Amino acid sequence: GQNIDQPTEMTATEGAIVQINCTYQTSGFNGLFWYQQHAGEAPTFLSYNVLDGLEEKGRFSSFLSRSKGYSYLLLKELQMKDSASYLCAVRVDSNYQLIWGAGTKLIIKP
Amino acid sequence: KAGVTQTPRYLIKTRGQQVTLSCSPISGHRSVSWYQQTPGQGLQFLFEYFSETQRNKGNFPGRFSGRQFSNSRSEMNVSTLELGDSALYLCASSLYGPTSEQETQYFGPGTRLLVL
Repeated sequence: GQNIDQPTEMTATEGAIVQINCTYQTSGFNGLFWYQQHAGEAPTFLSYNVLDGLEEKGRFSSFLSRSKGYSYLLLKELQMKDSASYLCAVRVDSNYQLIWGAGTKLIIKP
Repeated sequence: KAGVTQTPRYLIKTRGQQVTLSCSPISGHRSVSWYQQTPGQGLQFLFEYFSETQRNKGNFPGRFSGRQFSNSRSEMNVSTLELGDSALYLCASSLYGPTSEQETQYFGPGTRLLVL
């Protein structure tokens, strides 16, 4: 079967750094996405990894290791507005279907 | 460029009724996917349409159906509503292509359905 695991909830302090992990066990792999979802709003695209390594976008970075079935999202210089759920999704086959993790709720404290 | 739009934004129905939700993708996007999201759950994939054809389908009962029109707009229908169908229904569009940007899905604001 297809399985994506993320921690349910994490807490961090404003100004600090936090790493949100995502592990996947899927029948195939054709890319991994991270999305941010604020409460009551639609998910918005953060990053995409298809090759091993680190992709950096401002305060956010995403890492992928295909051999380990592992990715993480790194958020630096945390701001209160980063309080949200972070969703990991894997595209598993050539039909472009996405399998989604349940999301990690990130709480930022002053 | 206008984003993905969904109508209606909120809906209250009673058990046994049916409902139709609408989604207009970003201009030029040909793929539309539908998801169900309930509190504490990940996005549950319903189906995906591309060029008016259902390309993928998730593990939902036949009460959930959809279609896509020639202008890429899509509708989702749920018949014989059950209490458990109360959820946020999200629609997402993408270009469909080999590059990361084209594969990225852009979500609409969702339709929040409450079944009483």
